[in-house]
Amino acid sequence: AQSVTQPDIHITVSEGASLELRCNYSYGATPYLFWYVQSPGQGLQLLLKYFSGDTLVQGIKGFEAEFKRSQSSFNLRKPSVHWSDAAEYFCAVDNYGQNFVFGPGTRLSVLP
Amino acid sequence: DTAVSQTPKYLVTQMGNDKSIKCEQNLGHDTMYWYKQDSKKFLKIMFSYNNKELIINETVPNRFSPKSPDKAHLNLHINSLELGDSAVYFCASSQRPGQPDYGYTFGSGTRLTVV
Repeated sequence: AQSVTQPDIHITVSEGASLELRCNYSYGATPYLFWYVQSPGQGLQLLLKYFSGDTLVQGIKGFEAEFKRSQSSFNLRKPSVHWSDAAEYFCAVDNYGQNFVFGPGTRLSVLP
Repeated sequence: DTAVSQTPKYLVTQMGNDKSIKCEQNLGHDTMYWYKQDSKKFLKIMFSYNNKELIINETVPNRFSPKSPDKAHLNLHINSLELGDSAVYFCASSQRPGQPDYGYTFGSGTRLTVV
């Protein structure tokens, strides 16, 4: 079965510092991969997605992610974190077009 | 105009009651989903419907029954509510896989508390 792991449950960074959130997946074919962000009390918002082609994808709010097939990874990055980026981040893989399988999430805290 | 709207946003009810959560999308998407988010934020698929037809029915107690009167609406009815049903329930919709805009659009969630 498809699965997604996010090794870091909670990450704390200082405002202005760079950020990398890790995501690893297991999937039997070329995956469709997604990153979502959930602010407290809110629904999930799509940050970016990868279907094929260029392995570095740009998203909203200054985020980018890199697909590495050899490592089964799709890590999310941001060069300079803002206090408003504090939220829960979810990586997801499309399950053969049936539904998305989500990782357990990484909570990001931002220090002033 | 909200793309995926769920009502109510909060629902507090007693054990044993029956309740419904409604979801509507105005995006013209073919597929709609219900996900449950537990207290640890873990998201688990419950049901999916494609154009009013049930596609996925995960191992969810049969006290949960989805209903899709048309492809823009997917409601969730829960009978005999239990304490363990307390969670946040998210509705989502999507286009077909392979479409350039493929990806879930989520509603803002319904926080269900059973007391």
